[in-house]
Amino acid sequence: NAGVTQTPKFRVLKTGQSMTLLCAQDMNHEYMYWYRQDPGMGLRLIHYSVGEGTTAKGEVPDGYNVSRLKKQNFLLGLESAAPSQTSVYFCASSYLGRDGDTQYFGPGTRLTVL
Amino acid sequence: KNEVEQSPQNLTAQEGEFITINCSYSVGISALHWLQQHPGGGIVSLFMLSSGKKKHGRLIATINIQEKHSSLHITASHPRDSAVYICAAPMNYGGSQGNLIFGKGTKLSVKP
Repeated sequence: NAGVTQTPKFRVLKTGQSMTLLCAQDMNHEYMYWYRQDPGMGLRLIHYSVGEGTTAKGEVPDGYNVSRLKKQNFLLGLESAAPSQTSVYFCASSYLGRDGDTQYFGPGTRLTVL
Repeated sequence: KNEVEQSPQNLTAQEGEFITINCSYSVGISALHWLQQHPGGGIVSLFMLSSGKKKHGRLIATINIQEKHSSLHITASHPRDSAVYICAAPMNYGGSQGNLIFGKGTKLSVKP
């Protein structure tokens, strides 16, 4: 099993450009999450999904959109990138979203917005 | 607002030392997670615990629900233990969602 994979691993954008980050998991997990990690701060939840066709906002959703058309994929979109979106983005998945459920993380995408 | 606080922020140890990383949280929870972020960036889950103590190899995690405190201990530390250790707690106690709020992490460096 590949677990959780993310594409791309690195990306540099100019302000105003758009892009989509792809997360894929092969563990048949219901729940998927997008986080961003910034220096000096903990991981922060951007959006999450509790199943195919569903999405919900997390702690820092502004400037991002998501879609979960297939159970195994969770896409994160930036419609008009801003320098404040320079960050490392992690995708994660879990079988169920219960409090004690382990989350499995992808390797991360390092995004720089100039 | 749920908060998760970790201490220390940075920790340097000599190989072989016993290490303790602390985590405190502000609201009642049903489970607490410890994760490890490797120097290359990858994040893996180490423990999930709701009471008492769990042990995996040289890593031991304890939790005191009443005091809202958890500790991660590393015995006989080794340079390969160098990483950032993160604790996380569910945002909504008892909720079915289980979204996690993360501490800022403790950066551990073990010198040979």
